[in-house]
Amino acid sequence: TQLLEQSPQFLSIQEGENLTVYCNSSSVFSSLQWYRQEPGEGPVLLVTVVTGGEVKKLKRLTFQFGDARKDSSLHITAAQPGDTGLYLCAGANSNSGYALNFGKGTSLLVTP
Amino acid sequence: NAGVTQTPKFQVLKTGQSMTLQCAQDMNHEYMSWYRQDPGMGLRLIHYSVGAGITDQGEVPNGYNVSRSTTEDFPLRLLSAAPSQTSVYFCASSYSGTVSGNTIYFGEGSWLTVV
Repeated sequence: TQLLEQSPQFLSIQEGENLTVYCNSSSVFSSLQWYRQEPGEGPVLLVTVVTGGEVKKLKRLTFQFGDARKDSSLHITAAQPGDTGLYLCAGANSNSGYALNFGKGTSLLVTP
Repeated sequence: NAGVTQTPKFQVLKTGQSMTLQCAQDMNHEYMSWYRQDPGMGLRLIHYSVGAGITDQGEVPNGYNVSRSTTEDFPLRLLSAAPSQTSVYFCASSYSGTVSGNTIYFGEGSWLTVV
């Protein structure tokens, strides 16, 4: 199992602040996905990054895949209460096929 | 479009009992899988299937069986429930096994408590 370490584990901020969540591994992944999970629901895919150094933007969310494809970051600009949730990163490689390795998640709380 | 449907939503079992968690998808996806989510552990893969009649083990398969007789259904069977199997179970499906460019859809989860 290839470990994905997410940091921070918990984050509580006020509306309007910026934040960055990190996903790190010692292993190389062919692709990496970010999910958001709300209480009582399943994870929902936000983005998939494939190329080293790739940057993708989804409204106020910016995702980056490290050059060596071992790490990724999620940056949220001007956080809103609706951003509250558990953010999960998941990596896959050609050897694991369909299997995704998930990080333990970052629990984000944005208060008004 | 129902997506991925899991039943039951909640279940309490006694140690040693058996049960089946149902999962169905209406998107004609070839790939289906089961994960369990425990506090502080993230999601861990139990079993997966790349098509009807084909299944394989994931990271934590012990104590669980699966079968894939149709494209739509992928039930997860607990043979003899143990307290260590108390968890939230998620079924997922996708069109293909290639992660890049492929969306994986998760069900809403099944909360299982073994006492």
